[in-house]
Amino acid sequence: QSALTQPPSASGSPGQSVTISCTGTSSDVGYYNYVSWYQQHPGKAPKLMISEVSKRPSGVPDRFSGSKSGNTASLTVSGLQPEDEADYYCTSYAASNNLLFGGGTKLTVL
Amino acid sequence: QVQLQESGPGLVKPSETLSLTCAVSGYSITSVYNWGWIRQPPGKGLEWIGTIHHSGTTYYNPPLKSRVTISIDTSKNQFSLKLRSVTAADTALYYCARQFGGWAFDIWGQGTMVTVSS
Repeated sequence: QSALTQPPSASGSPGQSVTISCTGTSSDVGYYNYVSWYQQHPGKAPKLMISEVSKRPSGVPDRFSGSKSGNTASLTVSGLQPEDEADYYCTSYAASNNLLFGGGTKLTVL
Repeated sequence: QVQLQESGPGLVKPSETLSLTCAVSGYSITSVYNWGWIRQPPGKGLEWIGTIHHSGTTYYNPPLKSRVTISIDTSKNQFSLKLRSVTAADTALYYCARQFGGWAFDIWGQGTMVTVSS
């Protein structure tokens, strides 16, 4: 199966909101509520930001939120801060015990 | 505090087998969670390799399934990855991670770079 589709880049000014999309199909994102989002700073391991579409792990700022509509999941970062500049990846369960990653989105804080 | 640490050779010859170990501290590997391997080629995105359930059941990414084996060593509280018949395309930073319900990875190792070259 193909990877999930994410925009290569996104940007916003400090204090603004930005939304990153993650598009799959009716067999993965559209069917299961097992979408996760990860933040990765250069040279660092990924960090879980959102699980099960919209659940925020302990310690993740509430500026980060997740949602899903049809075959597209979204990560919204509100009140952008300089430290939010990073790569963001989505994943989705895809049946038969398979997991798909998105290609990643580079978020730039202007 | 749960920590994961990858280890293994940093250089593997083409056609040989890549072998990595992930040592888990602060948590029993036989308890509730699952354990996974993810890789990231230089300058590229993340790719799921496979997952092992705490009971030992394994799940692999279909394109890699014929070459991958993930196993658990309960006596050492660690799990391992073997990737056979490697090529330059398998050159990547390899991460191990803890996976919970919902197929999310909440704790990651720091990653270990493996280069496939003669």
